[in-house]
Amino acid sequence: QTVVTQEPSFSVSPGGTVTLTCGLSSGSVSTSYYPSWYQQTPGQAPRTLIYSTNIRSSGVPDRFSGSILGNKAALTITGAQADDESDYYCVLYMGSGISVFGGGTKLTVL
Amino acid sequence: QVQLQESGPGLVKPSQTLSLTCTVSGGSISSGAYYCSWIRQHPGKGLEWIGYIYYSGSTYYNPSLKSRITISVDTSENQFSLKLSSVTAADTAVYYCARWRRDGYNYFDSWGQGTLVTVSS
Repeated sequence: QTVVTQEPSFSVSPGGTVTLTCGLSSGSVSTSYYPSWYQQTPGQAPRTLIYSTNIRSSGVPDRFSGSILGNKAALTITGAQADDESDYYCVLYMGSGISVFGGGTKLTVL
Repeated sequence: QVQLQESGPGLVKPSQTLSLTCTVSGGSISSGAYYCSWIRQHPGKGLEWIGYIYYSGSTYYNPSLKSRITISVDTSENQFSLKLSSVTAADTAVYYCARWRRDGYNYFDSWGQGTLVTVSS
């Protein structure tokens, strides 16, 4: 079974830049997987940040950006702010109607 | 702006069937651009895709849950539903409905607020 991998946790200083990644247990992530990214704070529903690798959802600040880095999808936060402290999830579309979430990354801003 | 709202019992007994409904407002469930989706999140854990349905009735399920899941759609009510049979405590989770944008985009573009379902006798 395909596993989508994410760093369990990451920390960044206020104003700093951090890159979270989304990989596959076997193989490389490409744009064909339509990687998307979601932000979730405790007790809240996820919020859509990025879709189709690098398209920002409506209202998402441009300090969030998506890309493919090497064999993984990546979410970069430039100029991190305190309210960016959240859990971040990626989703890969495997085709044939199957979507898989990564395990999520808990981002600390300190 | 489309809105999704989950509804259903917050407590289900073990071995019974969990039933939830998602009501969509501000957009037609019959739009060909979307799938209607269910996702869950176990307490303190990550998100898990359960499955989705197209307005025509075509369904796609998580292989790990497929034997226990039924997702259905009622276009006249602009609603879709989830049934999960033979539940155990391991099915205790927050259940979200969401809209999956297809047609070359392939992502969840709108989410419900989620509803906690506890499986307990």
